[in-house]
Amino acid sequence: AQKVTQAQTEISVVEKEDVTLDCVYETRDTTYYLFWYKQPPSGELVFLIRRNSFDEQNEISGRYSWNFQKSTSSFNFTITASQVVDSAVYFCALSEEDTGNQFYFGTGTSLTVIP
Amino acid sequence: GAVVSQHPSRVICKSGTSVKIECRSLDFQATTMFWYRQFPKQSLMLMATSNEGSKATYEQGVEKDKFLINHASLTLSTLTVTSAHPEDSSFYICSARGGLPYNEQFFGPGTRLTVL
Repeated sequence: AQKVTQAQTEISVVEKEDVTLDCVYETRDTTYYLFWYKQPPSGELVFLIRRNSFDEQNEISGRYSWNFQKSTSSFNFTITASQVVDSAVYFCALSEEDTGNQFYFGTGTSLTVIP
Repeated sequence: GAVVSQHPSRVICKSGTSVKIECRSLDFQATTMFWYRQFPKQSLMLMATSNEGSKATYEQGVEKDKFLINHASLTLSTLTVTSAHPEDSSFYICSARGGLPYNEQFFGPGTRLTVL
């Protein structure tokens, strides 16, 4: 069973639009961590955020914001006023203590921001 | 802090040759290193986990005789693709754990392997 689901395979938005990338996870562990990474065409994974299961506070960092809801097992990522440089593949990942903190990656969402 | 490097960043080789990829933790001791493979437009798939001084643990479906992993020191792990074939062409990414926060993995920039 897929532990991390990113239902949106590809999204295209026009520059300056807001866009939300969905992430739904599945775990029985009480202690776990959620991550978002950006992978531009160069391939290098860029760390965006880490959230632990005990911290449900939403977070905002510039144009980026994250909504963590344990009740729906979701950890969605919103980019406000998107820019062309935001075009990339975005991965959501889950790490569980019970499995030795192995990473489970979603299938990724390819975001294209059209100028 | 917590920087991981990979070398080479890109390699092209002929079918049948072996290729070695290095993964180094530059500013921390990596007790555990992970190797992932990513095919075009796909997600990262874990190939193996290695602990310093121990044999690597391979994921189901990954041939350990083809993908040799050595984690001889706390800062270096190597992946050798033996007798490479075109289907081995992929993007290989390593990650390391041991820096702070301890349970987090820090990813290298990746190595793009093309087998002709």
